[in-house]
Amino acid sequence: AQKVTQAQTEISVVEKEDVTLDCVYETRDTTYYLFWYKQPPSGELVFLIRRNSFDEQNEISGRYSWNFQKSTSSFNFTITASQVVDSAVYFCALSVVFGNEKLTFGTGTRLTIIP
Amino acid sequence: EAGVTQFPSHSVIEKGQTVTLRCDPISGHDNLYWYRRVMGKEIKFLLHFVKESKQDESGMPNNRFLAERTGGTYSTLKVQPAELEDSGVYFCASSQETGYEQYFGPGTRLTVT
Repeated sequence: AQKVTQAQTEISVVEKEDVTLDCVYETRDTTYYLFWYKQPPSGELVFLIRRNSFDEQNEISGRYSWNFQKSTSSFNFTITASQVVDSAVYFCALSVVFGNEKLTFGTGTRLTIIP
Repeated sequence: EAGVTQFPSHSVIEKGQTVTLRCDPISGHDNLYWYRRVMGKEIKFLLHFVKESKQDESGMPNNRFLAERTGGTYSTLKVQPAELEDSGVYFCASSQETGYEQYFGPGTRLTVT
């Protein structure tokens, strides 16, 4: 069985600060995908990134960066120079490849950026 | 390109009534998923269609829930009869291929009173 833990329930930071959202996962499978989704106040889940278990390279996309470490089963998400528009609930998720593509989600982290 | 759409956006029904939720996936996406988030908890998988076939329905809570995807296009999720614990947000997602990123709709907020 798979499990995703997002220990941070809520985080508040002042605008322009950097913030890291933690995600720890559990799976016995060696091949899997990790995802981050953003849920803004409007409610829809917005896809941010997908990483496969064989690619441990960190990824940067503008102000967003992701740190994948298999040794600690973590897939953390950092927002640099946060902005008010980053305020949302962020979900980390896991899927096992080949035969069980359903997403297993964490409970989400509510991020509030204070202007 | 239109995203995943869901109807209605909100539904308030009384215990014992029937409700049908609809999901229109992104055009060309064979994979369609239903998920549910009960208040304060994680988003949980309900079932997965590949075209019109149910690939995995292991997350369906009980036989009061019935999902269909006739013709492999839109899908419906019927709850009959609804119970208080069915309240939550029901999300639909679609993907072009299994294992690829799933694109989510805005969800249907269901409140059973």
